[in-house]
Amino acid sequence: GAVVSQHPSWVICKSGTSVKIECRSLDFQATTMFWYRQFPKQSLMLMATSNEGSKATYEQGVEKDKFLINHASLTLSTLTVTSAHPEDSSFYICSAREEPSGVSGEQFFGPGTRLTVL
Amino acid sequence: AQSVAQPEDQVNVAEGNPLTVKCTYSVSGNPYLFWYVQYPNRGLQFLLKYITGDNLVKGSYGFEAEFNKSQTSFHLKKPSALVSDSALYFCAVRESGGSYIPTFGRGTSLIVHP
Repeated sequence: GAVVSQHPSWVICKSGTSVKIECRSLDFQATTMFWYRQFPKQSLMLMATSNEGSKATYEQGVEKDKFLINHASLTLSTLTVTSAHPEDSSFYICSAREEPSGVSGEQFFGPGTRLTVL
Repeated sequence: AQSVAQPEDQVNVAEGNPLTVKCTYSVSGNPYLFWYVQYPNRGLQFLLKYITGDNLVKGSYGFEAEFNKSQTSFHLKKPSALVSDSALYFCAVRESGGSYIPTFGRGTSLIVHP
């Protein structure tokens, strides 16, 4: 199946700093990538849909100035958490839809990034 | 609108026994249904999907799920559970022809006891 990687797998940073998380589709092209946030023992919360070559579409309640998303190519999307604070600590997961998607357009998920803000 | 419900936060089963993780859904049209598994501190792994055709879908690691249109359910099953099956399981649905963004259930923690 299609493979999606994320880097880094974990990061610890000081409050006020910015952190960039990369999401790559390794063996397929992804016009669309998704960024999720997951709190302990909870479901995935869709943060935004990342579209190659255009602005990301953010879900209601997600601060676009705080969570900057760039989809620079068909295989790379980045999420930058700006001026991170302890409440931003979470598990961030990206996913990509293989293009062409076929009928179902199932998503392939990255391994996730554990962000801890001190 | 589309929604999915996983009514159980946790399912406990003894190793070797059959397991069922429940999922019900709601969509306006025809559903595309998915099951994913998540191991601790990992992303989600695709298990199986129902798009059309046979109501019984077989997936990875011996899992299967049965699509029941009248009950709007898509329960995940396995005939004989393994301790290594212990993980968090997510059901997801999206409407065919609608938004390609699926809606995920809240997840069910499966614990298989030795």
